[in-house]
Amino acid sequence: GAGVSQTPSNKVTEKGKYVELRCDPISGHTALYWYRQSLGQGPEFLIYFQGTGAADDSGLPNDRFFAVRPEGSVSTLKIQRTERGDSAVYLCASSLTTDYNEQFFGPGTRLTVL
Amino acid sequence: GNSVTQMEGPVTLSEEAFLTINCTYTATGYPSLFWYVQYPGEGLQLLLKATKADDKGSNKGFEATYRKETTSFHLEKGSVQVSDSAVYFCALSLTGANSKLTFGKGITLSVRP
Repeated sequence: GAGVSQTPSNKVTEKGKYVELRCDPISGHTALYWYRQSLGQGPEFLIYFQGTGAADDSGLPNDRFFAVRPEGSVSTLKIQRTERGDSAVYLCASSLTTDYNEQFFGPGTRLTVL
Repeated sequence: GNSVTQMEGPVTLSEEAFLTINCTYTATGYPSLFWYVQYPGEGLQLLLKATKADDKGSNKGFEATYRKETTSFHLEKGSVQVSDSAVYFCALSLTGANSKLTFGKGITLSVRP
């Protein structure tokens, strides 16, 4: 079946612009995670959804970052007033539940802020 | 806080060589431990996991044993192949903490024919 998909695969934007990154999880997976991976580093947790609600947003770096999952499936990560330091690969993962279920990762969106 | 430390890379080996990639962790609770792998041009995928002390995770010839006494989860393979060339990440998640993963920096493995 289909895995986790993310769009766009690449996004180039200018400093100060607004961007939206989309994640389509595996059908039926209730848990959805966003991570950010900077060059040469491992992924860092941003936010976790259980169903429609953001159960843990402790990893969001500041209030320019926001994510939604209005129908409990597709999620959108929104970044306002982008800064060059936001450049990274943004990864989405989903799992059937949160009890030690394997997280399946998407291919990521590479964001470049000029 | 929680953290994962991986040995510095990159690592270059000849085919059929023995592989060890070190991983140690610090956790405020009782973690589950994972190795994820990222092959060139592909997304992260779970390689193996262990959920309690002394458990051994294994997959595709790779093994790692959860050592609580040394807070380690070293990855080993007896005979690497060119197709094992990838980036390997050690990670942990805590019980009751929504299973969010804390990753190490990752290490690049290159296997020469």
